[in-house]
Amino acid sequence: EVQLVESGGGLVQPGGSLRLSCAASGFTFKNYAMTWVRQGQGKGLEWVSAISGSGRHIYEADSAKGRFTISRDNSMNTLYLQMSSLRAEDTAVYYCAKGSFDGDWTADAFDIWGQGTMVTVSS
Amino acid sequence: DIQMTQSPSTLSASVGDRVIITCRASQSIKTWLAWYQQKPGKAPKLLIYKASTLESGVPSRFSGSGSGTEFTLTISSLQPDDFATYYCQQYNSMITFGQGTRLEIK
Repeated sequence: EVQLVESGGGLVQPGGSLRLSCAASGFTFKNYAMTWVRQGQGKGLEWVSAISGSGRHIYEADSAKGRFTISRDNSMNTLYLQMSSLRAEDTAVYYCAKGSFDGDWTADAFDIWGQGTMVTVSS
Repeated sequence: DIQMTQSPSTLSASVGDRVIITCRASQSIKTWLAWYQQKPGKAPKLLIYKASTLESGVPSRFSGSGSGTEFTLTISSLQPDDFATYYCQQYNSMITFGQGTRLEIK
């Protein structure tokens, strides 16, 4: 079964850091782009960052630049999002998702999503 | 950056209705457009990719069309399970989501 399981969310103070993980199983992880998408309470989907299958190509939303870093460990079938200088407006459910098509590109439609992990930034 | 604008923001409809949701891109995205369905407390579900290709397992009452800057998602005959929020997403240049269309029961 193709599956993504996020972890690492929690409560963090403004200015703090957090690392999210997304464990993948059931597919050849290194062949697919992966992405992080977040959703604040009652709000729409907001794309955060994406990485190609090889890890060579990375896209970031303006909201992530300079504060969030996406990475992947293809030997561990795991995607990461290192978040620093966190702000209240970063409070959201963070989803990881798998690209639809086999290939070393970065932007894609995303066919498998994890259940999400909640990040709360508050003092 | 490419902006995606969906309309309407909220749509009230009844079981059996045909509904159309529109998504406009601020510049041409060719056919690099996906549609997702999301229910409360759940992750999004991919319905359509490349503007008009139905994802495996998605009912045929869902269809997508368009190219360039204008796209539509059509549900031919609404079923009770279809009441949800729908998002478009472009992947021609980086990634952008529309703001969502909430489909509610009339």
